[in-house]
Amino acid sequence: SQQGEEDPQALSIQEGENATMNCSYKTSINNLQWYRQNSGRGLVHLILIRSNEREKHSGRLRVTLDTSKKSSSLLITASRAADTASYFCATVPGANNLFFGTGTRLTVIP
Amino acid sequence: NAGVTQTPKFQVLKTGQSMTLQCAQDMNHEYMSWYRQDPGMGLRLIHYSVGAGITDQGEVPNGYNVSRSTTEDFPLRLLSAAPSQTSVYFCASSYSGLAGLGETQYFGPGTRLLVL
Repeated sequence: SQQGEEDPQALSIQEGENATMNCSYKTSINNLQWYRQNSGRGLVHLILIRSNEREKHSGRLRVTLDTSKKSSSLLITASRAADTASYFCATVPGANNLFFGTGTRLTVIP
Repeated sequence: NAGVTQTPKFQVLKTGQSMTLQCAQDMNHEYMSWYRQDPGMGLRLIHYSVGAGITDQGEVPNGYNVSRSTTEDFPLRLLSAAPSQTSVYFCASSYSGLAGLGETQYFGPGTRLLVL
């Protein structure tokens, strides 16, 4: 399987705290993407990091990539209740397809 | 734009029945794909298409058929449903399918399927 694995499986934090979730994968990649899924909805793209990048920022999101360790992390700073969702990493080893991790379920308590 | 739409939202089938899950996009995207989402497994790719008339298998294609006669539509067919196909199914699309060059995918709202 080319699926990645994420940890933790579930994370519960207070509003205002930072949330960090990790993704590990097995194959070499062209890029890695993070998606968000609100309960009962489809996935929405958050941020993409290419294999030659080490860190990327977008608003309150910070993504890092360590290709030597085949791992990535997503940091959400100053979390809000509206950030409550499941977060998935998706690796892109080839030209066309994404391979999704198992996801982290984040709960932000107001 | 409606984006990616899927019908039905929810379906109950009996073992052995057939059905077609519909997916349509109005963004003129060449690439379309189907995933299934099971608890603890993340999303797994079933089939994908890089353009009208072209389809290919993903990670878990067994028990599913697809065709792509138009750019807009990419239906997923279950010929003889089995309880193992109980899942949530997502359709996704992207402009040309070049995820390797940084293209991202747009997802539909999903179809929840229960096979008894």
